[in-house]
Amino acid sequence: DSGVTQTPKHLITATGQRVTLRCSPRSGDLSVYWYQQSLDQGLQFLIQYYNGEERAKGNILERFSAQQFPDLHSELNLSSLELGDSALYFCASSPSATTSTDTQYFGPGTRLTVL
Amino acid sequence: AQKVTQAQTEISVVEKEDVTLDCVYETRDTTYYLFWYKQPPSGELVFLIRRNSFDEQNEISGRYSWNFQKSTSSFNFTITASQVVDSAVYFCALSEAGTGGFKTIFGAGTRLFVKA
Repeated sequence: DSGVTQTPKHLITATGQRVTLRCSPRSGDLSVYWYQQSLDQGLQFLIQYYNGEERAKGNILERFSAQQFPDLHSELNLSSLELGDSALYFCASSPSATTSTDTQYFGPGTRLTVL
Repeated sequence: AQKVTQAQTEISVVEKEDVTLDCVYETRDTTYYLFWYKQPPSGELVFLIRRNSFDEQNEISGRYSWNFQKSTSSFNFTITASQVVDSAVYFCALSEAGTGGFKTIFGAGTRLFVKA
């Protein structure tokens, strides 16, 4: 158990809908990272938040947004869902802002299925 | 542009064999970080190692070892005396500093089957 929790574990929804994925980092970790793993695109870094502020952006679509709240949990919002958004979404956390010295601990993932 | 290539899509070995997973990267940055992650059949991602671009020392951790060679832009991973529990998908990743922070890209992964 990495100490990172993600809810829900599974999510099934329809095209055009909007969903919110939630991540609670390990106690004491200030950074949260979101990744998408799909059959088409493989593993992709989406976005990083550090202590409430956006820190780094990867291949995140404009239809997706994220935020980190004062209690450090993070939410990834996916809107106008398309079939291609079906994927496993991982959250990871680490103590500081950079990957230079930190180990990232991954949550179990949320499997999103868009029908 | 940054790129990570894991040319081996799948590797199958028999238990106790040694196996090397290849990773070749491209980057223009002088400061970057390389990683290996394991994704067992259960699906979670497990961090294995991080190496920064200024440290070319090879590392050994139990049956795992990593060979970092800047001259060939490679960061290969060797499992000695493989075990069935090593069966997983292994990802190599590269982080380089972008505006405001580090961004990570992953290779396509190598699926390792270890047969008893």
